[in-house]
Amino acid sequence: EAQVTQNPRYLITVTGKKLTVTCSQNMNHEYMSWYRQDPGLGLRQIYYSMNVEVTDKGDVPEGYKVSRKEKRNFPLILESPSPNQTSLYFCASSFGRAPEQYFGPGTRLTVT
Amino acid sequence: GESVGLHLPTLSVQEGDNSIINCAYSNSASDYFIWYKQESGKGPQFIIDIRSNMDKRQGQRVTVLLNKTVKHLSLQIAATQPGDSAVYFCAENDFGNEKLTFGTGTRLTIIP
Repeated sequence: EAQVTQNPRYLITVTGKKLTVTCSQNMNHEYMSWYRQDPGLGLRQIYYSMNVEVTDKGDVPEGYKVSRKEKRNFPLILESPSPNQTSLYFCASSFGRAPEQYFGPGTRLTVT
Repeated sequence: GESVGLHLPTLSVQEGDNSIINCAYSNSASDYFIWYKQESGKGPQFIIDIRSNMDKRQGQRVTVLLNKTVKHLSLQIAATQPGDSAVYFCAENDFGNEKLTFGTGTRLTIIP
């Protein structure tokens, strides 16, 4: 089944404790992206990657890191999480610049 | 399920009626405009897209209209069903900066 998977689905952590949210897709997509979703703000792009070893900042990259060492994986790293990073996070992928992106199920992160 | 927006514009439609969801966009250089549907507890799902050189595109029970003069996009859903209840997002895709920018969403509720 073609899909984007994220882990964990739910995470509660404390300020300053490094964490990684994994994202994997099995569709051989070149483009992958991370979004955060907050009430009233819709989805905002954090980082994106056009291909392996190519990453770029989105609209809200501060406090986040990403890497793209393999085509199928695009982990999101929070080196020192803060409460303002409490949010619902989505990973997405697509073929090149195709407008249709496939989204993962989301990761609910709470930072206390 | 997850609450994706506490202050979203809302639209309630009787089952079987047609619905129209509207969206204003900001970037006149966008190449594609896309509609996504997000059901409670799930990631956004692609519905339909339209290129910037088109005015109208139809899919199964859905029609997207694009008015570039006033930077307005609409999604028409015909003969609505309970499964159409969701949050609907418009998005604009600018190939030049490789970004997908989402609107804040509209919550559609189908009344049985």
